[in-house]
Amino acid sequence: DSGVTQTPKHLITATGQRVTLRCSPRSGDLSVYWYQQSLDQGLQFLIQYYNGEERAKGNILERFSAQQFPDLHSELNLSSLELGDSALYFCASSVEDPGGVTEAFFGQGTRLTVV
Amino acid sequence: GEDVEQSLFLSVREGDSSVINCTYTDSSSTYLYWYKQEPGAGLQLLTYIFSNMDMKQDQRLTVLLNKKDKHLSLRIADTQTGDSAIYFCAERAAGNKLTFGGGTRVLVKP
Repeated sequence: DSGVTQTPKHLITATGQRVTLRCSPRSGDLSVYWYQQSLDQGLQFLIQYYNGEERAKGNILERFSAQQFPDLHSELNLSSLELGDSALYFCASSVEDPGGVTEAFFGQGTRLTVV
Repeated sequence: GEDVEQSLFLSVREGDSSVINCTYTDSSSTYLYWYKQEPGAGLQLLTYIFSNMDMKQDQRLTVLLNKKDKHLSLRIADTQTGDSAIYFCAERAAGNKLTFGGGTRVLVKP
């Protein structure tokens, strides 16, 4: 158990819909990262938040957005869903330490299926 | 730019050594990591190496880094069936962002 909790574990929804994925980081971790894992694109970094603020942005579509709340949990919002958005979405957290090793702990992922 | 590449698949016999290779392009990488993903699970950090090191050994795992060629490898000694998984290498660039390779699926045959 990594200490990172993601809900829900599975989600099936129709095209055009909107969903929210939730992540609770490990206790004490200030950074939260979102990744998308699909068969054709591999593991893609989407976005990082640190202590409530956006820190880095990757290949995140405009239809997707995220935020980190004061209690440090994070939500990834996916809207106008397309079939190609079907993937495993991972959240990871870390204690950001620029001078040392930042080990990112991953949650078990949310498997999103768009039908 | 950042690009991390790995071979897709490796088949190895139980008890043999496995070597998984990875190349990266970002010369400013500070740390390089190996993660393991078992079916239905998240990624688990196996080991890491700082970019000014050539080698790191951790029990059955040996990481070799050739910074000049931007080549990273993970050797698993005495490979077991429980080592069957997908292995990802990742590099850490500016802003703590991890860039992952596409993953190498390792299949251990009894």
